Amino acid sequence: QVQLVESGGGVVQPGRSLRLSCAASGFTFSHYGMHWVRQAPGKGLEWVAFISYDGKKNHYADSVKGRFTISRDNSKNTLSLQINSLRAEDTAVYYCAKERTEMLTGYYSDWGQGTLVTVSS
Amino acid sequence: DIQMTQSPSTLSASVGDRVTITCRASQSISTWLAWYQQKPGKAPKLLIFDASNLESGVPSRFSGSGSGTEFTLTISSLQPDDFATYYCQQCDSYFGMYTFGQGTKLEVK
Repeated sequence: QVQLVESGGGVVQPGRSLRLSCAASGFTFSHYGMHWVRQAPGKGLEWVAFISYDGKKNHYADSVKGRFTISRDNSKNTLSLQINSLRAEDTAVYYCAKERTEMLTGYYSDWGQGTLVTVSS
Repeated sequence: DIQMTQSPSTLSASVGDRVTITCRASQSISTWLAWYQQKPGKAPKLLIFDASNLESGVPSRFSGSGSGTEFTLTISSLQPDDFATYYCQQCDSYFGMYTFGQGTKLEVK
């Protein structure tokens, strides 16, 4: 079965950097586009970033463009999110999510359990 | 950017009720819309994709409809397990924009 396991969250000071990872298993990782979605405490869902199956195409939400970088290593079945210049408003649970099909649609059939990032001095 | 507006924000209902949640897009999105259910402390779960297609394993009491700018999620007969928060999401894969609605909390009346 599909498994997505995020890691790398924690408490970080404003302005610092953090790298989140998502270990994927149970499916052919290199065939699927992947996304990061975040949820601030008590708030709704916010799409953050997308990367194509081969890593050649990516998109970002305007709120994170220029500070966040999504990447993937298909040889290690791992998705990553590099977060720079962290701000208080980046505090959230970060989920990695798998596209429902090999064709890009933006529908997420599988999610990780999430990793909490807290930005605080 | 496309904005997604859900109504109501909170809905109180009882087991057995038929409930409907509405999602409106600020511009036409054809049928590029998904519905998710989220329970506290858990990741969201895909219910509906392409506005009206039921995801595998999702009970048939859930249904979706709509196209263009107005969409609805209907639960035909509310079950105890259905009390949760529901989100719509527009999926513009061409421009790489995937916007969620603000959510609708379905609570026990």
